[in-house]
Amino acid sequence: QVQLQESGPGLVKPSQTLSLTCTVSGGSISSGDYYWSWIRQSPEKGLEWIGNIKYSGRTDYNPSLKSRLTISADTSKNQFSLKLTSVAAADTAIYFCARERAGYCSSTRCQGWFDPWGQGTLVTVSS
Amino acid sequence: EIVLTQSPATLSLSPGERATLSCGASESVSIRYLAWYQHKPGLAPRLLIYDVSARATGIPDRFSGSGSGTDFTLTISRLEPEDFAVYYCQQYGGSFVTFGGGTKVEIK
Repeated sequence: QVQLQESGPGLVKPSQTLSLTCTVSGGSISSGDYYWSWIRQSPEKGLEWIGNIKYSGRTDYNPSLKSRLTISADTSKNQFSLKLTSVAAADTAIYFCARERAGYCSSTRCQGWFDPWGQGTLVTVSS
Repeated sequence: EIVLTQSPATLSLSPGERATLSCGASESVSIRYLAWYQHKPGLAPRLLIYDVSARATGIPDRFSGSGSGTDFTLTISRLEPEDFAVYYCQQYGGSFVTFGGGTKVEIK
């Protein structure tokens, strides 16, 4: 059974870079059927999809975060990571990683449902 | 961006009762691209339903999904004690994935 676990600093200073890693166990991120996603939750915005990556390295980002965001994968460690630059208080949230199964594909991207999820990690942006 | 609006915000019911949760979309959701999740504090969200009405692996048949276009429903036929939680809908047919604001099902 696939399990995901987020890790990284719980406190980041404004203007700095938020970095998180998701470690996947019980399955390989190199499986061609899935995408590997980041989602966050805050009281202000609720659940917000951040972006995803496929094992091939192809990424897809939320347009509102795209200019600050990098998602990468390390297949040798079975991990994928998130880097969000120039953070502000509005980036304070619980960050979840999840496996995404493609349910709909257009000519440019695939999207789907998330199963399973990690239990999430709280990241606070504060000086 | 497709905006999903869930109602009611809170549903107060007793175990054994039927729960009906609504999810409305700001524009038509392509074909059947809608999912539902259950979330309890401190735990990972749990997929219940995908493709509007397909139950995820291991989900009891008291959970069912229906709807089309802009109006979708999650029904819990008889609430069990473990069903009291927050429920979210999510669409994956728009320009990018979006989620609803959630409905909290609480014990009356």
